[in-house]
This record gives sequence, C-alpha cells and structure tokens, in this order.
Amino acid sequence: KQEVTQIPAALSVPEGENLVLNCSFTDSAIYNLQWFRQDPGKGLTSLLLIQSSQREQTSGRLNASLDKSSGRSTLYIAASQPGDSATYLCAVSIETSGSRLTFGEGTQLTVNP
Amino acid sequence: GAGVSQSPSNKVTEKGKDVELRCDPISGHTALYWYRQSLGQGLEFLIYFQGNSAPDKSGLPSDRFSAERTGGSVSTLTIQRTQQEDSAVYLCASSFWGRNTGELFFGEGSRLTVL
Repeated sequence: KQEVTQIPAALSVPEGENLVLNCSFTDSAIYNLQWFRQDPGKGLTSLLLIQSSQREQTSGRLNASLDKSSGRSTLYIAASQPGDSATYLCAVSIETSGSRLTFGEGTQLTVNP
Repeated sequence: GAGVSQSPSNKVTEKGKDVELRCDPISGHTALYWYRQSLGQGLEFLIYFQGNSAPDKSGLPSDRFSAERTGGSVSTLTIQRTQQEDSAVYLCASSFWGRNTGELFFGEGSRLTVL
C-alpha cells in the first residue's frame, strides 16, 4: 500500500527566506507526483506535476524535484512571501489513468512579514 | 467552464436524510474524481470516472454512497441515510488525458455537516 509522508508538518519562516518542503513515498513505482496548495476553506490548487520520467519541474519561484529510486520529492520555494502561507500537499499516482492519487498529510507553511 | 464547479458549497442536514452533491468538471476533461477531506485527516479517494463509467469505485466507504456521471460531464455523489461521520468536505477533481497526463484540477469543495 502506497504511503506518503510530508515533513515538516508545520513550518514558520520570515519573509524572504528560501525553504524546502519534503515528501516521501513508500512505493517507487509511481506514474506521476503532484504538488498542491490549499488555502483555508478552499479547494486544492495544482502547483507542479512531475511525470515519473522527469527529474524536476519549475514554475516561477517554485521548483519541485523527484527521485523515484529513493522515493523522495522536494518542493523548493525561493524568496518566500506572506502570500505563500498555505498548506502544501504532495500526492502520487501509481496508475496510468492518473486515478487514486495518494496524498500526504501536508505541510502548513506560515510566512511572517 | 473555466474551472471545476461544485454545488452546494455548504450543506447542513439532519442524520438520516439523503444528500446530493454536484460536480461540473472542466470542459473537455474525460476523467473525474471524488475525494473526501475530513477534519484533521488527509484526502481520501472515493471514486473515479473515465467518461461515464467508473473503473474504480473502491474508495466508497459504504453502500450508502453512490455516484454517477452523465454525458461525460456532470457528476452527482449521493449519500443516503447520512450519518454524523459523513461530515466532511467533498472535493471533486477532473483531468484531461493528454500532454500533462494525470494533472488534477480541483473544485472548491462541498462542505457537508450532518447534525
């Protein structure tokens, strides 16, 4: 059974810091990995999708890496801003249809002005 | 539409009543998913549609839960004889089988409270 773990569970940083969120998964036979952001009382916003054949994806100040063999992914946020405060969720899919995303518990990020 | 649309956004019901939750996916998306997010817990997969068929409904917690999709578009999740443990946010997502295969786009969710 695929299990996804995110560390740390919560993180508080001052504005401007670069930070790394970690995600690990137990079954390396994944199809893709997706990072999401969730604001309080809202749905999930897709940030980055990494296919299993890729090593990283970048979007603006965000960079996600994937190491399938070790079962790890990191989300790097450069020059953090208070607007980055949210819960960040990592999810993996092990089926070609992209179904049954297995989610981690999330990292709650607070960026202080 | 521009995004995944869910209704109602909030639903309060009494124990034992039936509820219907609706999801309108992004136009052209062939796959549709239902997830549940309970307070203090992670997201739980419920069911997946490809077109109008549901190849994976293994996540439905009991036979009180059912879902259908018509016309390859709108989906309805029905919960019969609601129980207090059904209280959660029900999230719908859709995806397009294409270049970014498997990227899911979520709606804002339907918050269900069973009294």
